[in-house]
Amino acid sequence: GDSVTQMEGPVTLSEEAFLTINCTYTATGYPSLFWYVQYPGEGLQLLLKATKADDKGSNKGFEATYRKETTSFHLEKGSVQVSDSAVYFCALLTGANNLFFGTGTRLTVIP
Amino acid sequence: EAGVAQSPRYKIIEKRQSVAFWCNPISGHATLYWYQQILGQGPKLLIQFQNNGVVDDSQLPKDRFSAERLKGVDSTLKIQPAKLEDSAVYLCASSPSGGSQETQYFGPGTRLLVL
Repeated sequence: GDSVTQMEGPVTLSEEAFLTINCTYTATGYPSLFWYVQYPGEGLQLLLKATKADDKGSNKGFEATYRKETTSFHLEKGSVQVSDSAVYFCALLTGANNLFFGTGTRLTVIP
Repeated sequence: EAGVAQSPRYKIIEKRQSVAFWCNPISGHATLYWYQQILGQGPKLLIQFQNNGVVDDSQLPKDRFSAERLKGVDSTLKIQPAKLEDSAVYLCASSPSGGSQETQYFGPGTRLLVL
């Protein structure tokens, strides 16, 4: 069935470090892929998305490229800030509008 | 544009009690979802409405959970009776029209603790 496997956390980085959070998926058909972010005490916010192979989603300095050949959608940011500390969820959306989430990766950025 | 609203934000109850959560989706959004997010896990879909009809409730534990969206706008999710393992954050989300692969927008969630 459809599923998302996400890099285990937690991840702790110093400010201005490079971030990669790995995400791979299993799906039938052609899903859309998302990264959602959950800041402390808040709900899920859409960070970025990609709807087809080779699309690159980007927002707030974060990027992820939809790689069909490796079934991956890794999240990257070149220089993290303390304000990026949050839990990041990779998600897959099927044609039937079923949204499957990974288990989440907690990122802590220290000054 | 106002986002998805949920209330209450927090609820503490004892096991075997009943509880209800309320959700108001983004104005004009036809599709509404309820998710359960257990600590340390990603959200899991409980039920999906298209207007006031149920599209998918295959993951809803129907012996204790119920949900309705009578006028196709607001929705309530009820648990009766609650169990310890129902402790979780209950998230409501909405999307515009129910077309294929529409982005879902989430509310802040209701954090439930069952003692």
